[in-house]
Amino acid sequence: GAVVSQHPSRVICKSGTSVKIECRSLDFQATTMFWYRQFPKQSLMLMATSNEGSKATYEQGVEKDKFLINHASLTLSTLTVTSAHPEDSSFYICSANTAENSPLHFGNGTRLTVT
Amino acid sequence: GQNIDQPTEMTATEGAIVQINCTYQTSGFNGLFWYQQHAGEAPTFLSYNVLDGLEEKGRFSSFLSRSKGYSYLLLKELQMKDSASYLCAVMDSNYQLIWGAGTKLIIKP
Repeated sequence: GAVVSQHPSRVICKSGTSVKIECRSLDFQATTMFWYRQFPKQSLMLMATSNEGSKATYEQGVEKDKFLINHASLTLSTLTVTSAHPEDSSFYICSANTAENSPLHFGNGTRLTVT
Repeated sequence: GQNIDQPTEMTATEGAIVQINCTYQTSGFNGLFWYQQHAGEAPTFLSYNVLDGLEEKGRFSSFLSRSKGYSYLLLKELQMKDSASYLCAVMDSNYQLIWGAGTKLIIKP
């Protein structure tokens, strides 16, 4: 089955620093990847859709200059949280599917804690 | 607007059967997905329904009625490891996934 790998699984950083999260599709090519954020006891919130070779599409309310997305190849998308603040502490999850109407497969998520 | 409704929390007994309902109102329909999410982990795919009827996969089954905007996930022979949140998601006409808030299932011995 389709496998999505996400790294790192946990990161603790100081306020003001930047954190990069990688998402890889291991056994398929993903022209589109999706970045989600989930706060404790809340539902998944789509942050942005990452498109290979073009700019990401951000959901309303998500700052594109703060959450930089780069989809440089068909198997790799990165999310960089710039100048992180404690309120950015959350569970970030990437996902991809093999075709437009096929199930999303999720990475294992990255738990970000900003101190 | 687009809306997915599912119960916030359910409790069931080990070995029993539980049905988690999901109703939806979306702009178009390209399939309904059920995911399982254990606390602190990412969701894992359980089932996909695009046509009316029942899809069975081991202890888990999922049902869809497009005319009623309704689906359910049926879990049989419940095990303690089934304690998790179950997320219903609908893919709309633009192939965007609309997520429900999830149903937390608590299994008691």
